[in-house]
Amino acid sequence: NAGVMQNPRHLVRRRGQEARLRCSPMKGHSHVYWYRQLPEEGLKFMVYLQKENIIDESGMPKERFSAEFPKEGPSILRIQQVVRGDSAAYFCASSLTDQGPGDNSPLHFGNGTRLTVT
Amino acid sequence: KQEVTQIPAALSVPEGENLVLNCSFTDSAIYNLQWFRQDPGKGLTSLLLIQSSQREQTSGRLNASLDKSSGRSTLYIAASQPGDSATYLCAVRAGANNLFFGTGTRLTVIP
Repeated sequence: NAGVMQNPRHLVRRRGQEARLRCSPMKGHSHVYWYRQLPEEGLKFMVYLQKENIIDESGMPKERFSAEFPKEGPSILRIQQVVRGDSAAYFCASSLTDQGPGDNSPLHFGNGTRLTVT
Repeated sequence: KQEVTQIPAALSVPEGENLVLNCSFTDSAIYNLQWFRQDPGKGLTSLLLIQSSQREQTSGRLNASLDKSSGRSTLYIAASQPGDSATYLCAVRAGANNLFFGTGTRLTVIP
């Protein structure tokens, strides 16, 4: 029973290149969340998606960042024209339900993708 | 805006000691509070989840308490073991999508 799978584990990009981060949620989970963890900082919410829909992207920068969760296949976080400040660990989490009030189901996190921009 | 603070930032204890990790949050309007464990280079593992209507949750040697009115939670670890060494993160859920994380307490249990 595989958990949340993220790949690649490590990604090195030069400034100006594109970074694509993939996340396969746990089996049966249709809710996906992306978080970013900067060095010495807490995890920050970026975007929440359900199959084929972006529900909340309030934590994602308006420019250069995009996310999708197609009907088939993994969720993708795409960063165009990367800059050094994008270097961070990017975590994906999935859940069975929408985490509303009274919901006891925890988020399940992947091991993250560590992006380094040189 | 919700802010979550964890004290101390780092803690070293000898094996066998009981210890308490602290978490405080600024806005008491939360759905729930979760404690996670993060090992170096790994993702987060959920340890305990306390609903806003609850006061505490227990799992094995772990006990988490929640005082919503004062904006505080504690994670109590009994009889610590070297395998407990990790970073412990506290997170509050303030809405369906928003999980606010603290910066964590890095715990080292010395054999």
